Amino acid sequence: AQTVTQSQPEMSVQEAETVTLSCTYDTSESNYYLFWYKQPPSRQMILVIRQEAYKQQNATENRFSVNFQKAAKSFSLKISDSQLGDTAMYFCAFLTFNNDMRFGAGTRLTVKP
Amino acid sequence: DTGVSQDPRHKITKRGQNVTFRCDPISEHNRLYWYRQTLGQGPEFLTYFQNEAQLEKSRLLSDRFSAERPKGSFSTLEIQRTEQGDSAMYLCASTPSGQGSAGANVLTFGAGSRLTVL
Repeated sequence: AQTVTQSQPEMSVQEAETVTLSCTYDTSESNYYLFWYKQPPSRQMILVIRQEAYKQQNATENRFSVNFQKAAKSFSLKISDSQLGDTAMYFCAFLTFNNDMRFGAGTRLTVKP
Repeated sequence: DTGVSQDPRHKITKRGQNVTFRCDPISEHNRLYWYRQTLGQGPEFLTYFQNEAQLEKSRLLSDRFSAERPKGSFSTLEIQRTEQGDSAMYLCASTPSGQGSAGANVLTFGAGSRLTVL
């Protein structure tokens, strides 16, 4: 069974600093997709960044980047120059071969002014 | 297109009653997912559709839960004989399928339907 583990229930960071959120997953598949989604308080879940497992290059989206270690089954999210609007729950997600999307339990990130 | 719509946004019901939630996905998205999310937890997969076909259903889902997508457009999730443990946010998400589709495999979520069972 595919599982996604986020070991940090809560994290905080000072505005303008950098923070890294951890995610590990377990799968026997060789081709899959990984995602980070953001859920601001009382708002809809939105995509932050995605990574195809067959691509060795780490994905980046402006201030957001990932460190994808396929052998270690690790997929961390780095947020640079943190902003107050980054305060949210962050979920790591894994898309299986049969299109089953699984989510981790989430990390609550608070950006402090 | 206004995105993924869910209705109602909030439903309060008494234990034992039946409830139905509706999801209208983005029109060109042929894959549709239902998730359940409790406070402080990640979304828990319930089921998903490719067009009108229900391709996977979580083994955690009891027989009281049923979902349909009769014409491959909107979907409904029905919970029969509700229990207090069913209280949660029910999320719907859609995505275009196929590697060549723009945004393929990226889920667009609705705002959710919050269920409170008294």
